[in-house]
Parts: sequence; structure tokens; C-alpha cells
Amino acid sequence: GQQVMQIPQYQHVQEGEDFTTYCNSSTTLSNIQWYKQRPGGHPVFLIQLVKSGEVKKQKRLTFQFGEAKKNSSLHITATQTTDVGTYFCAGDGGSQGNLIFGKGTKLSVKP
Amino acid sequence: DAGVIQSPRHEVTEMGQEVTLRCKPISGHDYLFWYRQTMMRGLELLIYFNNNVPIDDSGMPEDRFSAKMPNASFSTLKIQPSEPRDSAVYFCASSIDRGHPGELFFGEGSRLTVL
Repeated sequence: GQQVMQIPQYQHVQEGEDFTTYCNSSTTLSNIQWYKQRPGGHPVFLIQLVKSGEVKKQKRLTFQFGEAKKNSSLHITATQTTDVGTYFCAGDGGSQGNLIFGKGTKLSVKP
Repeated sequence: DAGVIQSPRHEVTEMGQEVTLRCKPISGHDYLFWYRQTMMRGLELLIYFNNNVPIDDSGMPEDRFSAKMPNASFSTLKIQPSEPRDSAVYFCASSIDRGHPGELFFGEGSRLTVL
């Protein structure tokens, strides 16, 4: 079945450093979504990318969707302690309505 | 507006007991998803419904798990009998049909511990 791989599994950074997480799918995706889960919380939607090569920004966060629509990345510039949490990508599973989540990248930020 | 509401928030039970988790999706949402989250396996899709109809239950671990959605505002996930390996956080999520999966709105989860 379809797999969504995410790396790295963990990332420890000093506050102010940049952070990037990468997502790769075994199949072409129609769209990809990104979520953030704070410790002890639930996943919260960040953004959805639909077009090949699409780039979207939300303040310090930059999201990219690969040209082949099989990979994506999330880049955070100048991390802050409020960025702490686990970032998940999720791609459609080939059937409408089915979203497959990556294992997530857990970000810790040292003040 | 109220978000996705799940109950109970925490459940501790003994092996062999029946567990029922409940979910009220956001009004007007067409899709309802049940996910299970563990450290080892991450977020796993168990089953999802579209307009109250189960579409894909291939993620349901085994016959001990069952899910129903009797109407648009209520769904249950039942485990009978429960086992220690079922210990996890179970999330319910809902979304609007936008022709492709729209953003998922997650509930706060039900943390299940089976002793």
C-alpha cells in the first residue's frame, strides 16, 4: 500500500536556528497536508498544497510541493520555543477521503 | 462553533473488557475518520466514513474492533475484548468533502490504557 515517509524523526535545534522536515510518498499525490501536534495535544491543520511545484508561506514557515508531487518539505526560519511539537505530513491514499500520515518529525527548541 | 468532541478523554480498563469511544463531528462535515496514535506506529487510519457510510475499514486491526456511524452527528469505535496492545490515543477527525480530502479537524483524543 501507499507509504508516506518523513525525515528526520527528531530534530533538536537552538532557538534562532532553522529547521526543515521532508516528506516522501511512494506514489504520486493529488495533494499534501501539513499538521502540527503540540505535546499532549491533537494534530492541528497548517496548510494544504495541491499544485505541482507549489510554494506557500505562513510567516516563518515555508511549505513546498515537489514537481512530481511525490515529495514535500516544511522549513521554519529562526525557530522559536513556540515551534516545539511534532510536524506531520499527510497525503491522499489514492481513494477519495483517505489520508495517510507520515510518522512525523519531533522538533525541540532549546532557548 | 464547537469542534470535534470525543469522549471519554481518558479510559483505563482491564484486559477483556469492552471499550466504547464516542465522537461527535463538526456539524455539516461529510467525512469522519478514526485514527489511532502510538509511539511505535504513529498515526494510523483505522476507518473512515463518508455521509455516514463506511468507505474503508482496511486499517481496523482485527475483528475485535468495530465502528458505527448511525447518523451524521455521532460515531462510535468499539473494542471487544480489549487487550493491552490496544493502549493508545484514539483520535476522531472530521472534514468537508472538497472533491479531495479537505483539512481534518481533530478532536482532543481518547487516551486508552488497557491493563
